[in-house]
Amino acid sequence: SQKIEQNSEALNIQEGKTATLTCNYTNYSPAYLQWYRQDPGRGPVFLLLIRENEKEKRKERLKVTFDTTLKQSLFHITASQPADSATYLCALAGNKLTFGGGTRVLVKP
Amino acid sequence: EAQVTQNPRYLITVTGKKLTVTCSQNMNHEYMSWYRQDPGLGLRQIYYSMNVEVTDKGDVPEGYKVSRKEKRNFPLILESPSPNQTSLYFCASSPGTGVIWNTEAFFGQGTRLTVV
Repeated sequence: SQKIEQNSEALNIQEGKTATLTCNYTNYSPAYLQWYRQDPGRGPVFLLLIRENEKEKRKERLKVTFDTTLKQSLFHITASQPADSATYLCALAGNKLTFGGGTRVLVKP
Repeated sequence: EAQVTQNPRYLITVTGKKLTVTCSQNMNHEYMSWYRQDPGLGLRQIYYSMNVEVTDKGDVPEGYKVSRKEKRNFPLILESPSPNQTSLYFCASSPGTGVIWNTEAFFGQGTRLTVV
């Protein structure tokens, strides 16, 4: 069966450093991969989308890579700020959108 | 403002008492979907709709019903709620057709449902 894994342990990081999150998947060949941010008790908010033929995508301080051979996406937040503290979800897009469990990021001042 | 609106935000109900959670979007999106989110299980799709009068089951449809009579509205109906349906529910919409998710999904603010 399809499986999407994100590190369930929270990532604690110092302000100004780069946070790197991992999304691994199995038994799946998504055409697109998306990343969302979710704050406690609120709906996910779209951040970035990367296509299977793209290796890397950037948006301001965010960078996403997509390796279809490794079946992995990495999500980077550079120059992290306390306001970046949230849970980040990856979602695989084929005939539907399937979410990973999310990784909580806590940026300390 | 482009948005997906869910109501109510919070709901406490008793087992067996029918309830409806409303969802409305003002972006003229064709695709709408309902998810539930539970600790350790992430977001799981309940039902989705590719257009008016077209609905289909997601991964966890048991105990739920939906309807899509108008493009903007996609209510979630619990005919006989049970405690295992206590969860955080999200409605989402997308301009995509749903066949290939090459566009972002817009989520509502969530409905926290408790069934006692």
